[in-house]
Amino acid sequence: QKEVEQNSGPLSVPEGAIASLNCTYSDRGSQSFFWYRQYSGKSPELIMFIYSNGDKEDGRFTAQLNKASQYVSLLIRDSQPSDSATYLCAVNLRPLSGAGSYQLTFGKGTKLSVIP
Amino acid sequence: DTAVSQTPKYLVTQMGNDKSIKCEQNLGHDTMYWYKQDSKKFLKIMFSYNNKELIINETVPNRFSPKSPDKAHLNLHINSLELGDSAVYFCASSHFKGGILKLFFGSGTQLSVL
Repeated sequence: QKEVEQNSGPLSVPEGAIASLNCTYSDRGSQSFFWYRQYSGKSPELIMFIYSNGDKEDGRFTAQLNKASQYVSLLIRDSQPSDSATYLCAVNLRPLSGAGSYQLTFGKGTKLSVIP
Repeated sequence: DTAVSQTPKYLVTQMGNDKSIKCEQNLGHDTMYWYKQDSKKFLKIMFSYNNKELIINETVPNRFSPKSPDKAHLNLHINSLELGDSAVYFCASSHFKGGILKLFFGSGTQLSVL
């Protein structure tokens, strides 16, 4: 069973702190990794993706990938109340056949609350 | 100027009824999907179509039948609705380039079966 695991939370952090969200995956053949943000009642929105070991930074967001440990994380610096949302980790598994069969497998999401 | 649009946004219906959800994307993508998100926020793929052909068909009751008249449209028809079908259904399309698959979601259809 190919799985993506996340701590469901809720994770509460004070405004201005660093929020750390974690994700592990079971398929060693996974190729790329995504973080989606989903506000309550809204659709998921892509905020970061990473496919090489190491860190990738975009503004206040840093994605970290360790393929040996099958671990990907998202750090949010200077957390704001507007960052309060559910964060979904997604993994691009190896396709069964052909480019059209690529799919993303999602974790169950971590709910983040940033307390003013 | 919505990229992936789905209708209706809300759908309230009785058990046993048949209903449809429509989806259209204007991004020029070849691949479209239906995802189901349950009350615990678990987002699970149901179907994937590539250029009107069914590519992925996860373990979904055959009461659910997707239809893709062209690569810009993917509709979902559900027969004999059950209480357990209540969820938010998201349509999505994808762009695949350089080994990276990016999903773009519609705004979702909240289905409530009474």
